[in-house]
Amino acid sequence: KQEVTQIPAALSVPEGENLVLNCSFTDSAIYNLQWFRQDPGKGLTSLLLIQSSQREQTSGRLNASLDKSSGRSTLYIAASQPGDSATYLCAVGAGTALIFGKGTTLSVSS
Amino acid sequence: DAGVIQSPRHEVTEMGQEVTLRCKPISGHDYLFWYRQTMMRGLELLIYFNNNVPIDDSGMPEDRFSAKMPNASFSTLKIQPSEPRDSAVYFCASSLPAGDTQYFGPGTRLTVL
Repeated sequence: KQEVTQIPAALSVPEGENLVLNCSFTDSAIYNLQWFRQDPGKGLTSLLLIQSSQREQTSGRLNASLDKSSGRSTLYIAASQPGDSATYLCAVGAGTALIFGKGTTLSVSS
Repeated sequence: DAGVIQSPRHEVTEMGQEVTLRCKPISGHDYLFWYRQTMMRGLELLIYFNNNVPIDDSGMPEDRFSAKMPNASFSTLKIQPSEPRDSAVYFCASSLPAGDTQYFGPGTRLTVL
């Protein structure tokens, strides 16, 4: 059974810092991996989608990498801003379904 | 497009009552998913549809839960009878072909007293 783990569960950084969020999964037979952002009381917003054949995807200040063989993905956020404060969820695509980690709650202070 | 639409946004009910959650997916999307989010278990897939047909309902916790998709633009998730442990946020999501980005609705926060 696929399990997705995100470490750390919470992270506090000062504005301007570069940071890395980690995601690990137990079964390397995945179709894709998605990173989502969730603001308090809101739905999920897709940030990046990496297909299983890809190694990384970039969008603005965000860069996500995927290493299937080691069962890991990282989300790199450059020059963090207070507006980046949210919970970041990693989800592994196993067939059509997504299996989610429990998220990392990020707080960026000004 | 308005995105995935869910109603109601908040629902408070008493144990034993029937609860119906509604979802309108993004037009043209072939797949519709129902998820449940709790602090303890995180986000879990309950059921998903492809072209209005239920494909995998293995995540539905009990027979008290049922879901339908009568047409391409509407789906319901029903809980009958509801119990306090059903309290959670229920999300609906839709996507184009399998493996594509899933787009989530704002969720329905259900509280069962």
